Amino acid sequence: ETGVTQTPRHLVMGMTNKKSLKCEQHLGHNAMYWYKQSAKKPLELMFVYNFKEQTENNSVPSRFSPECPNSSHLFLHLHTLQPEDSALYLCASSQGLGWDNSPLHFGNGTRLTVT
Amino acid sequence: AQKVTQAQTEISVVEKEDVTLDCVYETRDTTYYLFWYKQPPSGELVFLIRRNSFDEQNEISGRYSWNFQKSTSSFNFTITASQVVDSAVYFCALSENSAGGATNKLIFGTGTLLAVQP
Repeated sequence: ETGVTQTPRHLVMGMTNKKSLKCEQHLGHNAMYWYKQSAKKPLELMFVYNFKEQTENNSVPSRFSPECPNSSHLFLHLHTLQPEDSALYLCASSQGLGWDNSPLHFGNGTRLTVT
Repeated sequence: AQKVTQAQTEISVVEKEDVTLDCVYETRDTTYYLFWYKQPPSGELVFLIRRNSFDEQNEISGRYSWNFQKSTSSFNFTITASQVVDSAVYFCALSENSAGGATNKLIFGTGTLLAVQP
């Protein structure tokens, strides 16, 4: 398997549920990212990890909790979400964080619906 | 502040027509990168091109071409002889800069939905 794989593809959860999104990259990259894509809005960067260390939290509410156990895996733990959190959540990876490194490679995303 | 504007929300063309997607950016930095990504219905953003701020040469890749003009802060994307498979949302993006220079964190435009009719 190659590229960036995200599971599940679709997720429906209630506001009191706890769920997790998973991302795995098979590209040998060192940096991983979570982006949120809402309708009619630009993609929003949520978190950045470099060599398993979080380097960016873009003022994301604490109901979103990322985890990066190694450079190949990235999780997004969700709890007590709000309906406005419904969106497409995209994972991406890159060789590194610098401008001279490879561009971002994205997964297919998880379509999240909060009811 | 850095910003990317894609003024065209939706474009509809008939197959074999040429179509240009506009992208205008704002930045005070002298070193930056510009990108185009394609998002088909499957959801995955597919990387198309990266251009650095010092390279204003236009680029052609098959039916795709890009026109980078620093004088107008534009990085437009043209598809020649469009095909139904080109139907997707296209995003233009700008590298966000830090004290150390351009980074891999991207500032995206809102995207242009291209529909190519058979």
